[in-house]
Amino acid sequence: GAVVSQHPSWVICKSGTSVKIECRSLDFQATTMFWYRQFPKQSLMLMATSNEGSKATYEQGVEKDKFLINHASLTLSTLTVTSAHPEDSSFYICSASAGGSYNEQFFGPGTRLTVL
Amino acid sequence: DAKTTQPNSMESNEEEPVHLPCNHSTISGTDYIHWYRQLPSQGPEYVIHGLTSNVNNRMASLAIAEDRKSSTLILHRATLRDAAVYYCILRVGGGGSNYKLTFGKGTLLTVNP
Repeated sequence: GAVVSQHPSWVICKSGTSVKIECRSLDFQATTMFWYRQFPKQSLMLMATSNEGSKATYEQGVEKDKFLINHASLTLSTLTVTSAHPEDSSFYICSASAGGSYNEQFFGPGTRLTVL
Repeated sequence: DAKTTQPNSMESNEEEPVHLPCNHSTISGTDYIHWYRQLPSQGPEYVIHGLTSNVNNRMASLAIAEDRKSSTLILHRATLRDAAVYYCILRVGGGGSNYKLTFGKGTLLTVNP
């Protein structure tokens, strides 16, 4: 089956620093990748949608200058949390879609970010 | 977006069937019904999807009401590894890969040994 990986699986950083999270589709080419955020005991919230080679489309209320998304290839998308603060601590999950008639989304295992 | 309503939590015993309900009274004719589940500290996992007819796969069965305003995910024999949050999601049909999945609160399934 289609596999999506994320790196790192967890990261701890100091307030004010930037953190980059990678999302890779290992055995298929992902036309579209999605980034979600999940706070403890809450559901997933879509942050942005990115298509390879295009600018990401951000959901309402998500700061595009704070959460930089790059989808430079069909197998890699990155999310950079710039000038991270403790309130950015969350579980970040990506998903990837290969396109086609059904377009199922395959999810990564998530990245736990803790900002001190 | 069409919304879904699920019970907050359900309990089951190991090796017994589990029926997880989902109401989606505002579903449109082209919306697919998706089910995903999420184990603790993991990304969601696809379970099953359907449009109008009942569907079966190795993980579960999906029973869709004739008017499509509700559906039921059926786990035929629950195991401890099935303990997770189950999400019922409506996905807009059609081509293209930009469709969004809007996650609700889901149902927390507890499986008792």
